[in-house]
Amino acid sequence: AQKVTQAQTEISVVEKEDVTLDCVYETRDTTYYLFWYKQPPSGELVFLIRRNSFDEQNEISGRYSWNFQKSTSSFNFTITASQVVDSAVYFCALTGTTSGTYKYIFGTGTRLKVLA
Amino acid sequence: DGGITQSPKYLFRKEGQNVTLSCEQNLNHDAMYWYRQDPGQGLRLIYYSQIVNDFQKGDIAEGYSVSREKKESFPLTVTSAQKNPTAFYLCASSFIPGQGAPNYGYTFGSGTRLTVV
Repeated sequence: AQKVTQAQTEISVVEKEDVTLDCVYETRDTTYYLFWYKQPPSGELVFLIRRNSFDEQNEISGRYSWNFQKSTSSFNFTITASQVVDSAVYFCALTGTTSGTYKYIFGTGTRLKVLA
Repeated sequence: DGGITQSPKYLFRKEGQNVTLSCEQNLNHDAMYWYRQDPGQGLRLIYYSQIVNDFQKGDIAEGYSVSREKKESFPLTVTSAQKNPTAFYLCASSFIPGQGAPNYGYTFGSGTRLTVV
């Protein structure tokens, strides 16, 4: 079975602090993809990153960075020097490609509040 | 610009009514999906379709129906059988991996907020 766990329901930080959002996944697929999406108050989910199971390189994009570790089945997301505009709900998602379908399994999301 | 459009943004339904939520995409994606989001919860899959004239139930299909008569369109009908329809509904589309298409994940619409009055 596939599962994504985002244990942090809500996190509050003060602007300019660094914050890490945790994501732990379970899958039996050997080929799979992991994603992070941002959901601002407007509601639309905005794609942030995709990582496939064969690429464990960490990635940095501006103030965002992602740490993918297959050994611990984790795909954590760090925001450096957080800003008020980072306030949103962040979802981690997983999909496998060997099941014959392409359904995402979403975590329950982490609400990030960045206080000025 | 390519994208996925959901309408209306807000929808109010009376008890016993059926309502239809629209979802249109011009990304040439093969697959389309409907998700339901309740406050403080994650996204739950209602229905998905990977090809025209074919669709499959997701995890919470009861009380909902869909059609896929065109590649670009995947409307969702919330029927009177859905006892608790008040929620935020998100439509998404994607390529299907393993068919020579890139796997860039889902593209989401901006959502429809449905309220029962």
